[in-house]
Amino acid sequence: ETGVTQSPTHLIKTRGQQVTLRCSSQSGHNTVSWYQQALGQGPQFIFQYYREEENGRGNFPPRFSGLQFPNYSSELNVNALELDDSALYLCASSLDTRELFFGEGSRLTVL
Amino acid sequence: ILNVEQSPQSLHVQEGDSTNFTCSFPSSNFYALHWYRWETAKSPEALFVMTLNGDEKKKGRISATLNTKEGYSYLYIKGSQPEDSATYLCAFRKAGGSYIPTFGRGTSLIVHP
Repeated sequence: ETGVTQSPTHLIKTRGQQVTLRCSSQSGHNTVSWYQQALGQGPQFIFQYYREEENGRGNFPPRFSGLQFPNYSSELNVNALELDDSALYLCASSLDTRELFFGEGSRLTVL
Repeated sequence: ILNVEQSPQSLHVQEGDSTNFTCSFPSSNFYALHWYRWETAKSPEALFVMTLNGDEKKKGRISATLNTKEGYSYLYIKGSQPEDSATYLCAFRKAGGSYIPTFGRGTSLIVHP
């Protein structure tokens, strides 16, 4: 059984740039959720995709967007990066609304 | 916005001590409460899923209880070991909608040898 994998693990961008983070779901899972964890905070929900459709969105601006592909892998795109976007981005897959299985995260630093 | 609070924020204990921490969540529209253990540089790992008022779960030296009527869950670690050092996250799922978990900030536990 393949776990959740995320790439890249670390990256550095400058303000105004765009970034794409990738996530491969655990085998058999049809739902992907993305979370942002800033320093000292708990994971904050960005959005969830279920069978390629957005299934819920947290309090994040439209410059945070995503995709889920037919193989249930997913991308998180962030445009016009701001300093406050520096955080750990976690992807979690699940089967429907069941337990989340997390990747190790992508650490984004915006300078 | 759902309010999920965890206390304490951090905890230092000696090897062999027993410890516990709290997760508070809304007492209405309860669906499930999850506990995760998150070691540094690894992915959060599921410990327990709790769904019924009065639930008690146990895994080795770690156990958890649930009170949905008053909106809290306790996580207990008996005889802490250095390998228990991690951040412990709870996540509340509200009934209805997309059942998307809302996480607390976590309790950081450091067990000193």
